Amino acid sequence: AQTVTQSQPEMSVQEAETVTLSCTYDTSENNYYLFWYKQPPSRQMILVIRQEAYKQQNATENRFSVNFQKAAKSFSLKISDSQLGDTAMYFCAFMKLHGSGNTGKLIFGQGTTLQVKP
Amino acid sequence: SQTIHQWPATLVQPVGSPLSLECTVEGTSNPNLYWYRQAAGRGLQLLFYSVGIGQISSEVPQNLSASRPQDRQFILSSKKLLLSDSGFYLCAWSRTGPNEKLFFGSGTQLSVL
Repeated sequence: AQTVTQSQPEMSVQEAETVTLSCTYDTSENNYYLFWYKQPPSRQMILVIRQEAYKQQNATENRFSVNFQKAAKSFSLKISDSQLGDTAMYFCAFMKLHGSGNTGKLIFGQGTTLQVKP
Repeated sequence: SQTIHQWPATLVQPVGSPLSLECTVEGTSNPNLYWYRQAAGRGLQLLFYSVGIGQISSEVPQNLSASRPQDRQFILSSKKLLLSDSGFYLCAWSRTGPNEKLFFGSGTQLSVL
């Protein structure tokens, strides 16, 4: 069974600074996807970034980037130039591929609450 | 464009009462549909998923059931709610096929008293 671990329950960062959220996972699969989702106070789940395990290049989306270390099973999220609107709970998630498709069975970590301070 | 509707946003129910939460998707056909539950301060747990009408897979044994009477409609039900059913319930959809993202609804906060 796959597990996802986020060891930082809470973090804070000053506006405009950089912060890194940690995530490790455990799987015997070779083909899978990893995600970071953001859940602001509205509780809407918003996809931040996605990484395909077969790609060595780290995914980036504007101020958000990941450090994907497949051998170490580590998938950290770096937020650059933090903004007040980045305040939210962040979830790391794992999705296993099933042959030619997938059923979207996301396995989530426990989440990290990020507070961006002015 | 595709949209997902989930209602109600908030629900307070007494123990032993029935439950029906509804989720509908617009702008796509034959989506994969999912029900997740988030306990307070915790991550999301997958409860059910469906790849087609009448096709339901349960991930964890529980007091809840799911049904998919139409292609873009997904219903979460219970005959008798328990205190432990309290939580934040999220419906989600994805297209079939590889590498597809999940899109979440706005959620239902269920309080069982």
